[in-house]
Amino acid sequence: EPEVTQTPSHQVTQMGQEVILRCVPISNHLYFYWYRQILGQKVEFLVSFYNNEISEKSEIFDDQFSVERPDGSNFTLKIRSTKLEDSAMYFCASSLEGGPRNQPQHFGDGTRLSIL
Amino acid sequence: AQSVAQPEDQVNVAEGNPLTVKCTYSVSGNPYLFWYVQYPNRGLQFLLKYITGDNLVKGSYGFEAEFNKSQTSFHLKKPSALVSDSALYFCAVRARAAAGNKLTFGGGTRVLVKP
Repeated sequence: EPEVTQTPSHQVTQMGQEVILRCVPISNHLYFYWYRQILGQKVEFLVSFYNNEISEKSEIFDDQFSVERPDGSNFTLKIRSTKLEDSAMYFCASSLEGGPRNQPQHFGDGTRLSIL
Repeated sequence: AQSVAQPEDQVNVAEGNPLTVKCTYSVSGNPYLFWYVQYPNRGLQFLLKYITGDNLVKGSYGFEAEFNKSQTSFHLKKPSALVSDSALYFCAVRARAAAGNKLTFGGGTRVLVKP
């Protein structure tokens, strides 16, 4: 069964440094998402991306965050200047469709980001 | 704003007994509802969804969930639990009008099935 793959599984970065989290969505999927889960807290929506643009973002997704689909297979989340509070598990997800047909979102295994 | 509540942090059940994991939601308009399961060191794995139609939906691994509009609930059930069902379960809601398909998750319920 096709899977969403995320790399690296664990990223350790100094505060203030830039970090890029990488995801390869399922190949025929059209909608892409990032979520995060701070330890002990709920899974929170960050951003959704469709047709090469952001379709929705949360208040967490401020100017320090950006997403990109640099080629036909990768989907990346960049944090420009990391803060301690960015430490979390970051999940990438993809879905075939959105809208009324509402195909489910399929999640990767996550990247654990630790900011020192 | 949309929200999901999972009132139980943990549910303990003996193997072979029925399993219920509770979920209530709040959303504008009619909801899309989902259940996901997470095993240790893995991502969220889709179990089932409610879009429209029958209030009882069936999903993977023998799980089912019942949509109750008047009680704004979407409880997950399994008639006979297995030890391998021990995991973290998340309920999620999406507003139908959400342009970006944003999912809002509950806090999760840890299920422990004892032999």
